[in-house]
Amino acid sequence: SQQGEEDPQALSIQEGENATMNCSYKTSINNLQWYRQNSGRGLVHLILIRSNEREKHSGRLRVTLDTSKKSSSLLITASRAADTASYFCATALMDSNYQLIWGAGTKLIIKP
Amino acid sequence: EAQVTQNPRYLITVTGKKLTVTCSQNMNHEYMSWYRQDPGLGLRQIYYSMNVEVTDKGDVPEGYKVSRKEKRNFPLILESPSPNQTSLYFCASSSPDRGFLSYNSPLHFGNGTRLTVT
Repeated sequence: SQQGEEDPQALSIQEGENATMNCSYKTSINNLQWYRQNSGRGLVHLILIRSNEREKHSGRLRVTLDTSKKSSSLLITASRAADTASYFCATALMDSNYQLIWGAGTKLIIKP
Repeated sequence: EAQVTQNPRYLITVTGKKLTVTCSQNMNHEYMSWYRQDPGLGLRQIYYSMNVEVTDKGDVPEGYKVSRKEKRNFPLILESPSPNQTSLYFCASSSPDRGFLSYNSPLHFGNGTRLTVT
């Protein structure tokens, strides 16, 4: 069952520009998490934002959460070639028994 | 170094030949899970385990088995693999935050096992 949907599916930008990815979901959540996956490798956790939070920062990453619109965005500022990866959002549903629901991901390419 | 270790990294096998993909974590995590990743479908959960001897089905458990005899190990077993199980498999672990009703801790992933069944 797919809850989160990332948008766009693919994004190509120049190094130094900002990259914004969006995630929409359908049902009430406890928290939303963003992960990065370099080509064919394991996913790496980036940020977790709880349902009572609106914005969170980590280095060049900024995540916002709008529970009224059931959506989240991930902003990467001053992108670098090393940011080239796929980015996934995952939602933890209320009373979900520790399960996460994953979106299909946004493929980000940073051009040098 | 804290990590989740999966083996093998690549596996090519034939239909019907039983195989096991191992997963081990050194972080004393209670929660472990198996996912498969297919193009355009994101991650789909196969099985998960809340603790030793406690396992439960995820979204796509058919054709798979798991066991959790020790806290650190969570092997994935394909008794009779079929071509539709060709996929990229990930093991993950976490230690859920017990202060909340639901999941509030990030997952730690292994590097994946690329399985091809011919």
